Amino acid sequence: QSALTQPASVSGSPGQSITMSCTGTSSDVGSYNYVTWYQQHPGKAPKLMIYDVSKRPSGVSNRFSGSKSGNTASLTISGLQAEDEADYYCSSYTSSSTVVFGGGTKLTVL
Amino acid sequence: QVQLVESGGGLVKPGGSLRLSCAASRFTFSDFYMSWIRQAPGKGLEWVSYISLRGSTTYYADSVKGRFTISRDNAKNSLYLQMNSLRAEDTAVYYCVRGQYSGFYWGQGTLVTVSS
Repeated sequence: QSALTQPASVSGSPGQSITMSCTGTSSDVGSYNYVTWYQQHPGKAPKLMIYDVSKRPSGVSNRFSGSKSGNTASLTISGLQAEDEADYYCSSYTSSSTVVFGGGTKLTVL
Repeated sequence: QVQLVESGGGLVKPGGSLRLSCAASRFTFSDFYMSWIRQAPGKGLEWVSYISLRGSTTYYADSVKGRFTISRDNAKNSLYLQMNSLRAEDTAVYYCVRGQYSGFYWGQGTLVTVSS
């Protein structure tokens, strides 16, 4: 159950677009379309932003989008806003019927 | 709105036990898989366990396998996590989450501190 790999930090200016990655293996990200992205603000519970690689729950801004290529999933945030500054975590279902998370990416809005 | 309220956290000595509870409301509890996910202070999220609709199927992270037991009582709309042989590295906020591999709803979390 090795953790998925996420960059420790990414940054962007308001209005810009950023993309963060989430790299797994053929036993998790590469084999299942069950990649989920969460946003977490300090002191708060995580909030689901993207599920099943690219689906957005109702109420989540369409500025958030997800995709996957091979063993790497990506989260793109367009039209960056100050409120987007948070920690972002990806997770994936695995071939062992378990779930694995990434280490998290801290997004800074400059 | 879906509500998940955890309880049972606290301070426990290494080797001790603790039972977490999660009271679910405003949705049909028996229709959903449920999970526990934890977060150590200042660290990332770690999946702990999930349980199937009737409790017949359970899965655990390697880090807790053999020490933790997840269970549910659909009649009481409640989820549980029995934690035995606790270690310092189990110190974390434990979240009750609706879902199997995607957590659509989360509780506010309950803090478990393992320390002598």
